[in-house]
Amino acid sequence: LAKTTQPISMDSYEGQEVNITCSHNNIATNDYITWYQQFPSQGPRFIIQGYKTKVTNEVASLFIPADRKSSTLSLPRVSLSDTAVYYCLVGDDRDDKIIFGKGTRLHILP
Amino acid sequence: GAGVSQSPSNKVTEKGKDVELRCDPISGHTALYWYRQSLGQGLEFLIYFQGNSAPDKSGLPSDRFSAERTGGSVSTLTIQRTQQEDSAVYLCASSSVGQGAYGYTFGSGTRLTVV
Repeated sequence: LAKTTQPISMDSYEGQEVNITCSHNNIATNDYITWYQQFPSQGPRFIIQGYKTKVTNEVASLFIPADRKSSTLSLPRVSLSDTAVYYCLVGDDRDDKIIFGKGTRLHILP
Repeated sequence: GAGVSQSPSNKVTEKGKDVELRCDPISGHTALYWYRQSLGQGLEFLIYFQGNSAPDKSGLPSDRFSAERTGGSVSTLTIQRTQQEDSAVYLCASSSVGQGAYGYTFGSGTRLTVV
């Protein structure tokens, strides 16, 4: 499983776009990049997954450059309810367990 | 059920007592995982069950921790002779085979406090 590095914490304001970058220099050819979101007092939940270029859903966008050694989770026009911890994970569908890092603690200010 | 259910949601126990934490996975999910999350920390992998295979116990922190999964469904995590450092949120997740990081569904966890 490739190791990931992401900022420990970030602050932003309501209405701003927030970008959280994750480094994964040792990503393997078959690996996907997956992001989970964890609200206080809840378990993590899947938000987005991608392999290359750009993926967008109703929650976020995921940008992956050609070398795939990093990825950026983009949250458009954040609100206070986006305050959470965001985990970047790298692995393929044969992996039998996910190893979570400490994630990025995002704090949205009014 | 529709999601992963964990019980109890909160548990306060005295140091030295044994505790049992329960996880009901999503019906049909063959894989079940236990994680531990201490205050302000990331998730620490504890144990993984997949079908009838021997569980991956590589994350269990000591022999006071054990888990079983009966009938390929409900799982119980048991902590014997609890210590204060066992205080944490214990999270259970389930998934289908072959989904990798895409298909994990977590419960809301059991908050364990050892006093």
